[in-house]
This record gives sequence, C-alpha cells and structure tokens, in this order.
Amino acid sequence: EVQLLESGGGLVQPGGSLRLSCAASGFTFSSYGMSWVRQAPGKGLEWVSGISGSGVITYYADSVKGRFTISRDNSKNTPYLQMNSLRAEDTAVYHCAKHHGFYPYHGFDIWGQGTVVTVSS
Amino acid sequence: QSALTQPASVSGSPGQSITISCTGTSSDIGAYSYVSWCQQHPGKAPKVMIYDVTNRPSGVSNRFSASKSGNTASLTISGLQAEDEAHYYCSSYTTSSTVIFGGGTKLTVL
Repeated sequence: EVQLLESGGGLVQPGGSLRLSCAASGFTFSSYGMSWVRQAPGKGLEWVSGISGSGVITYYADSVKGRFTISRDNSKNTPYLQMNSLRAEDTAVYHCAKHHGFYPYHGFDIWGQGTVVTVSS
Repeated sequence: QSALTQPASVSGSPGQSITISCTGTSSDIGAYSYVSWCQQHPGKAPKVMIYDVTNRPSGVSNRFSASKSGNTASLTISGLQAEDEAHYYCSSYTTSSTVIFGGGTKLTVL
C-alpha cells in the first residue's frame, strides 16, 4: 500500500524555522516526483514546492521562493521541506503529495494526511 | 498567476450526474495534459480522483470521469451518491514551472 506520513510541524515564532519530513512507502520512491502542498485554515489548496525523482530539478511557488528549500533522500524514501523566515501567512496544514511520474509536473496521485504548522508569537 | 476558475458550488440529487468545470489559460490547462482532480471531505486529506486529465488511480470508482478541451477541464460524477458530497479541487502544471490549483467547488448531494 502506498503511504505518505508527514512529520515536523509545530508552533514557531515569526522569523523562525522548521523542517518537515514525509516518510514514503509502498512504491519505488526515486522514480517519482514529490511536492509539498499547503492549506491555510478554511482556505483552498496552495502548491508550495516540487522536486524530481532524482532531486536535481526543484520548483517553488513565488510566495516561498528564497525562504523554503525542498530536498529528498532517496536512501531514506523521504522528501523534506526546510522552511526559514517563517511568516504568519505560512500557517497551514502541509501535505506531501506523490506525482504520477518522475517529474513534478505530472499530476498528483497520492496525498499524505498532513502536518500542522502554526506561525505565531 | 491567478488560480484556476471553478464554480463555488454545484448540487445534484442521488443518481444524477454533475459536471464541475475548471477554467485556466493557454499557460496552464491549455498547455499540458497534467490536470488532476482531488476530493476533500471536511477535516480529511485530499484524495486524488483523476490525474493527467483522464486517468483514475487504482480504487477510484468509474463513476468519476474527466476531460479537457482547450483551456477548460471538466470532472463528471455519474450516479451521485451521498458519499460524493465534498470539496473538489482541480490543479494543473504551468509554463512557469509551477502547479496551480482551482479555488475549489463544494458539491452538495440533495
């Protein structure tokens, strides 16, 4: 069974940092692109960042470019999202999502349950 | 880049069919065949119903189908059931190397 399990969320002050992880299982991890997608309370879905199966190609939303870094460790079947200079507007549930192909432009086919990030003083 | 345009709400009676539209531009939906649709029940994680315009992941009912014409994608749910009541979101890859979502459509089963 394909599973994605996020962790690393929590309460952080504005300007602080967090690192999210997503434990993947049930598929050949290095063959698929992965993305992080967030959902602010009561709002819709917002794509944050994507990475190719090899980790060489990365994409970012303008809202996080220069502050967030996506990476992956294919030996651990885990993508990461390093979030720096956090702002109140980054408060959201962060989901990792698997793409149906090597690159993060293929459609999504599996989502994780999400981890909650709250940015507040 | 603006979000893809979806109707805020649609409704239908059990057994009926409904269609949700998702309108973009030639820089996203019109440029690629990388449109996905996901279903989200309140308080739950999204679940992919369609990927790459027309493909259903394993386990998704064949009552769900989708298509694309020009800059508009559509999701059709036939034989509506009470469990289909949820929010539905479309998404597409863009020429800016990003992924964009629609604002979401709330489906009410009457």
